Amino acid sequence: EAGVAQSPRYKIIEKRQSVAFWCNPISGHATLYWYQQILGQGPKLLIQFQNNGVVDDSQLPKDRFSAERLKGVDSTLKIQPAKLEDSAVYLCASSLVGQGKGYGYTFGSGTRLTVV
Amino acid sequence: LAKTTQPISMDSYEGQEVNITCSHNNIATNDYITWYQQFPSQGPRFIIQGYKTKVTNEVASLFIPADRKSSTLSLPRVSLSDTAVYYCLVGDMGNYGGSQGNLIFGKGTKLSVKP
Repeated sequence: EAGVAQSPRYKIIEKRQSVAFWCNPISGHATLYWYQQILGQGPKLLIQFQNNGVVDDSQLPKDRFSAERLKGVDSTLKIQPAKLEDSAVYLCASSLVGQGKGYGYTFGSGTRLTVV
Repeated sequence: LAKTTQPISMDSYEGQEVNITCSHNNIATNDYITWYQQFPSQGPRFIIQGYKTKVTNEVASLFIPADRKSSTLSLPRVSLSDTAVYYCLVGDMGNYGGSQGNLIFGKGTKLSVKP
């Protein structure tokens, strides 16, 4: 089974520039998550999709962050404009809806963003 | 979602059994306990999940006492490759994908395995 694909793997931008990250979840996984992981901390949920609808975006800084999952499959997370404190790893994860207990989320390897 | 408390770091030697305990005093009836492992430059990886008593898979065992206010991840005979951060999470996994199925990560336990 293919894993969660993310690109790019690394990105360096200047502050106030924009950046976009792409995620392709595991085939058939209806639920998709974007997490932000700052160095030394655990991942923090930014947004959760179920199919193409947003379930939870309460921790997404909506003045600069946006995300979409138009066809209920792959997703894009955008930051515009970027700030220095956005430097982090952005992780995408997916899971099945109604999956039997005992299965967790599958994470991608993430995109490491450095804002200079 | 219940808050979890786990040690910031632990040291061990190759071949030893490692037990990482997590406290979750406010665990709810529908909450499951899930452990993830994260290596540097990788996303977290699901290790094990349980609701009560004991769960064992090819990687680890999870011990949950009757009151469910804590849990212990047991890694048998660790090797250098088990050096990673281990996260304990508590949440309602009964409805994957629903709004109550979010995973909230703490800072985790950094396990260092020495030769």
